Amino acid sequence: GAGVSQSPRYKVAKRGQDVALRCDPISGHVSLFWYQQALGQGPEFLTYFQNEAQLDKSGLPSDRFFAERPEGSVSTLKIQRTQQEDSAVYLCASSLTGKNTEAFFGQGTRLTVV
Amino acid sequence: AQRVTQPEKLLSVFKGAPVELKCNYSYSGSPELFWYVQYSRQRLQLLLRHISRESIKGFTADLNKGETSFHLKKPFAQEEDSAMYYCALTPSGGYQKVTFGTGTKLQVIP
Repeated sequence: GAGVSQSPRYKVAKRGQDVALRCDPISGHVSLFWYQQALGQGPEFLTYFQNEAQLDKSGLPSDRFFAERPEGSVSTLKIQRTQQEDSAVYLCASSLTGKNTEAFFGQGTRLTVV
Repeated sequence: AQRVTQPEKLLSVFKGAPVELKCNYSYSGSPELFWYVQYSRQRLQLLLRHISRESIKGFTADLNKGETSFHLKKPFAQEEDSAMYYCALTPSGGYQKVTFGTGTKLQVIP
Protein backbone atom coordinates (compact mmCIF):
# COMPACT_ATOMS: atom_id res chain seq x y z
CA GLY A 1 0.00 0.00 0.00
CA ALA A 2 0.91 3.64 -0.23
CA GLY A 3 1.30 4.16 3.49
CA VAL A 4 0.42 2.95 6.95
CA SER A 5 -3.20 1.94 7.08
CA GLN A 6 -5.30 1.77 10.24
CA SER A 7 -8.77 0.40 10.74
CA PRO A 8 -11.36 1.21 11.76
CA ARG A 9 -11.00 4.97 11.43
CA TYR A 10 -13.65 5.50 14.09
CA LYS A 11 -14.86 3.21 16.84
CA VAL A 12 -17.53 3.82 19.45
CA ALA A 13 -17.51 1.31 22.28
CA LYS A 14 -19.69 0.94 25.31
CA ARG A 15 -17.83 0.97 28.60
CA GLY A 16 -16.72 -2.54 29.40
CA GLN A 17 -16.61 -3.69 25.79
CA ASP A 18 -13.42 -5.13 24.24
CA VAL A 19 -12.02 -3.49 21.10
CA ALA A 20 -9.36 -4.42 18.54
CA LEU A 21 -7.55 -1.86 16.44
CA ARG A 22 -5.63 -2.89 13.36
CA CYS A 23 -2.48 -1.47 11.79
CA ASP A 24 -1.08 -2.38 8.37
CA PRO A 25 2.46 -0.99 8.19
CA ILE A 26 4.36 -0.14 5.04
CA SER A 27 5.55 -3.35 3.43
CA GLY A 28 9.07 -4.25 4.50
CA HIS A 29 9.16 -1.98 7.51
CA VAL A 30 10.78 -3.72 10.43
CA SER A 31 9.71 -1.40 13.23
CA LEU A 32 6.17 -0.67 14.34
CA PHE A 33 4.99 1.69 17.06
CA TRP A 34 1.68 2.41 18.74
CA TYR A 35 0.87 5.79 20.27
CA GLN A 36 -2.13 7.13 22.16
CA GLN A 37 -3.16 10.73 21.61
CA ALA A 38 -5.69 12.21 24.01
CA LEU A 39 -7.58 15.36 23.06
CA GLY A 40 -5.30 18.40 23.17
CA GLN A 41 -2.20 16.35 23.87
CA GLY A 42 0.73 15.09 21.88
CA PRO A 43 1.05 11.41 21.02
CA GLU A 44 2.18 9.21 23.94
CA PHE A 45 4.24 6.10 23.29
CA LEU A 46 2.53 2.79 24.02
CA THR A 47 4.62 -0.02 22.57
CA TYR A 48 7.26 -0.95 19.98
CA PHE A 49 7.80 -4.03 17.80
CA GLN A 50 10.81 -5.07 15.84
CA ASN A 51 9.44 -7.64 13.42
CA GLU A 52 7.29 -9.91 15.58
CA ALA A 53 9.14 -9.18 18.81
CA GLN A 54 7.61 -6.73 21.22
CA LEU A 55 10.73 -5.02 22.53
CA ASP A 56 9.15 -2.29 24.60
CA LYS A 57 5.71 -2.16 26.14
CA SER A 58 6.52 0.29 28.87
CA GLY A 59 3.91 2.79 27.69
CA LEU A 60 0.89 0.50 27.93
CA PRO A 61 -1.25 2.15 30.62
CA SER A 62 -2.66 -1.02 32.15
CA ASP A 63 -2.92 -4.76 31.71
CA ARG A 64 -6.16 -4.17 29.81
CA PHE A 65 -3.99 -3.11 26.87
CA PHE A 66 -2.39 -5.79 24.74
CA ALA A 67 -0.60 -5.57 21.40
CA GLU A 68 0.63 -8.23 19.02
CA ARG A 69 2.34 -8.56 15.67
CA PRO A 70 2.49 -12.32 15.18
CA GLU A 71 3.97 -12.46 11.68
CA GLY A 72 6.00 -9.29 11.81
CA SER A 73 3.63 -7.35 9.60
CA VAL A 74 0.08 -6.47 10.65
CA SER A 75 -0.35 -5.45 14.26
CA THR A 76 -3.39 -5.40 16.51
CA LEU A 77 -3.88 -3.31 19.62
CA LYS A 78 -6.51 -4.79 21.89
CA ILE A 79 -8.17 -3.01 24.77
CA GLN A 80 -10.21 -5.09 27.16
CA ARG A 81 -13.04 -3.78 29.32
CA THR A 82 -12.77 -0.29 27.86
CA GLN A 83 -13.07 2.70 30.18
CA GLN A 84 -13.94 6.31 29.39
CA GLU A 85 -10.34 7.35 29.92
CA ASP A 86 -9.37 5.11 27.01
CA SER A 87 -11.07 7.54 24.62
CA ALA A 88 -8.32 8.86 22.36
CA VAL A 89 -6.84 8.62 18.90
CA TYR A 90 -4.59 5.58 18.56
CA LEU A 91 -1.77 6.10 16.10
CA CYS A 92 0.37 3.47 14.48
CA ALA A 93 3.72 4.23 12.86
CA SER A 94 6.26 2.12 11.01
CA SER A 95 9.84 2.66 9.98
CA LEU A 96 12.33 0.76 7.89
CA THR A 97 14.67 -0.07 10.72
CA GLY A 98 13.68 2.02 13.72
CA LYS A 99 17.12 3.52 14.22
CA ASN A 100 17.59 6.95 12.71
CA THR A 101 15.02 6.33 10.02
CA GLU A 102 11.83 8.25 9.49
CA ALA A 103 8.67 6.88 11.06
CA PHE A 104 5.55 7.05 8.89
CA PHE A 105 2.24 7.46 10.66
CA GLY A 106 -1.20 6.12 9.91
CA GLN A 107 -4.26 8.32 10.09
CA GLY A 108 -5.23 6.86 13.42
CA THR A 109 -8.28 5.26 14.97
CA ARG A 110 -10.48 7.55 17.03
CA LEU A 111 -11.89 5.52 19.92
CA THR A 112 -14.81 6.92 21.88
CA VAL A 113 -15.94 5.03 24.94
CA VAL A 114 -19.48 5.88 26.05
CA ALA B 1 13.16 11.01 32.08
CA GLN B 2 12.80 12.78 28.79
CA ARG B 3 10.38 15.63 28.36
CA VAL B 4 9.44 18.07 25.60
CA THR B 5 7.75 21.37 26.36
CA GLN B 6 5.90 23.55 23.88
CA PRO B 7 4.68 26.57 25.85
CA GLU B 8 2.25 27.90 23.26
CA LYS B 9 -0.95 26.06 22.43
CA LEU B 10 -1.85 28.55 19.71
CA LEU B 11 0.26 30.96 17.72
CA SER B 12 -1.42 33.38 15.32
CA VAL B 13 0.64 35.40 12.85
CA PHE B 14 -0.14 37.40 9.75
CA LYS B 15 0.91 36.15 6.35
CA GLY B 16 4.44 37.34 5.60
CA ALA B 17 5.35 37.75 9.27
CA PRO B 18 8.15 35.74 10.87
CA VAL B 19 7.26 32.60 12.78
CA GLU B 20 8.94 31.07 15.80
CA LEU B 21 7.50 27.99 17.47
CA LYS B 22 9.17 27.36 20.78
CA CYS B 23 10.39 24.00 22.02
CA ASN B 24 12.40 23.15 25.11
CA TYR B 25 13.48 19.70 26.17
CA SER B 26 14.97 17.86 29.09
CA TYR B 27 17.07 14.77 28.62
CA SER B 28 20.19 13.62 30.39
CA GLY B 29 22.03 12.33 27.33
CA SER B 30 22.38 13.48 23.72
CA PRO B 31 18.98 13.50 22.10
CA GLU B 32 17.85 13.70 18.55
CA LEU B 33 15.26 16.39 17.99
CA PHE B 34 12.51 16.52 15.40
CA TRP B 35 9.62 18.64 14.31
CA TYR B 36 6.47 16.89 13.10
CA VAL B 37 3.56 18.60 11.38
CA GLN B 38 -0.07 17.67 10.99
CA TYR B 39 -2.07 19.57 8.39
CA SER B 40 -5.85 19.59 8.60
CA ARG B 41 -7.31 16.13 7.93
CA GLN B 42 -3.88 14.69 7.18
CA ARG B 43 -1.63 12.33 9.05
CA LEU B 44 1.28 13.29 11.23
CA GLN B 45 4.46 13.62 9.20
CA LEU B 46 8.07 14.45 9.79
CA LEU B 47 8.98 18.05 8.94
CA LEU B 48 12.65 18.13 9.83
CA ARG B 49 15.30 16.66 12.13
CA HIS B 50 18.21 18.45 13.69
CA ILE B 51 20.86 16.05 12.45
CA SER B 52 19.96 16.83 8.85
CA ARG B 53 20.49 20.57 9.28
CA GLU B 54 18.12 21.12 6.40
CA SER B 55 15.46 23.65 5.56
CA ILE B 56 12.09 22.20 4.68
CA LYS B 57 9.34 24.43 3.27
CA GLY B 58 11.37 27.39 4.46
CA PHE B 59 11.47 26.16 8.06
CA THR B 60 14.69 25.74 10.02
CA ALA B 61 15.45 24.68 13.56
CA ASP B 62 18.71 24.91 15.45
CA LEU B 63 19.53 22.73 18.40
CA ASN B 64 20.81 24.86 21.29
CA LYS B 65 22.22 22.46 23.85
CA GLY B 66 23.03 25.22 26.32
CA GLU B 67 19.43 26.39 26.44
CA THR B 68 18.04 22.89 25.69
CA SER B 69 15.90 24.39 22.96
CA PHE B 70 14.96 23.49 19.40
CA HIS B 71 12.80 26.35 18.19
CA LEU B 72 11.25 26.18 14.73
CA LYS B 73 11.57 29.30 12.61
CA LYS B 74 10.43 30.64 9.29
CA PRO B 75 11.11 34.19 8.08
CA PHE B 76 7.85 34.70 6.16
CA ALA B 77 4.72 32.76 7.08
CA GLN B 78 2.43 31.44 4.37
CA GLU B 79 -1.23 30.47 4.67
CA GLU B 80 -0.41 26.85 3.87
CA ASP B 81 1.79 26.71 6.96
CA SER B 82 -1.32 26.65 9.16
CA ALA B 83 -1.18 23.32 10.99
CA MET B 84 -0.38 21.60 14.28
CA TYR B 85 3.33 21.39 14.98
CA TYR B 86 4.85 18.92 17.41
CA CYS B 87 8.37 19.01 18.71
CA ALA B 88 9.75 15.57 19.51
CA LEU B 89 12.80 13.88 20.98
CA THR B 90 14.39 10.45 20.80
CA PRO B 91 17.55 9.12 22.44
CA SER B 92 20.50 9.37 20.10
CA GLY B 93 21.22 6.13 18.30
CA GLY B 94 18.24 4.39 19.79
CA TYR B 95 15.10 3.22 18.13
CA GLN B 96 12.51 5.86 17.65
CA LYS B 97 10.66 5.78 20.96
CA VAL B 98 9.62 9.31 20.32
CA THR B 99 8.58 11.66 23.09
CA PHE B 100 6.29 14.38 21.78
CA GLY B 101 5.41 17.78 23.09
CA THR B 102 1.77 18.83 23.42
CA GLY B 103 1.84 20.69 20.14
CA THR B 104 1.35 24.26 18.93
CA LYS B 105 -1.36 25.21 16.52
CA LEU B 106 -0.04 27.73 14.00
CA GLN B 107 -2.67 29.93 12.44
CA VAL B 108 -1.56 32.15 9.58
CA ILE B 109 -3.96 35.00 9.02
CA PRO B 110 -4.34 36.14 5.40
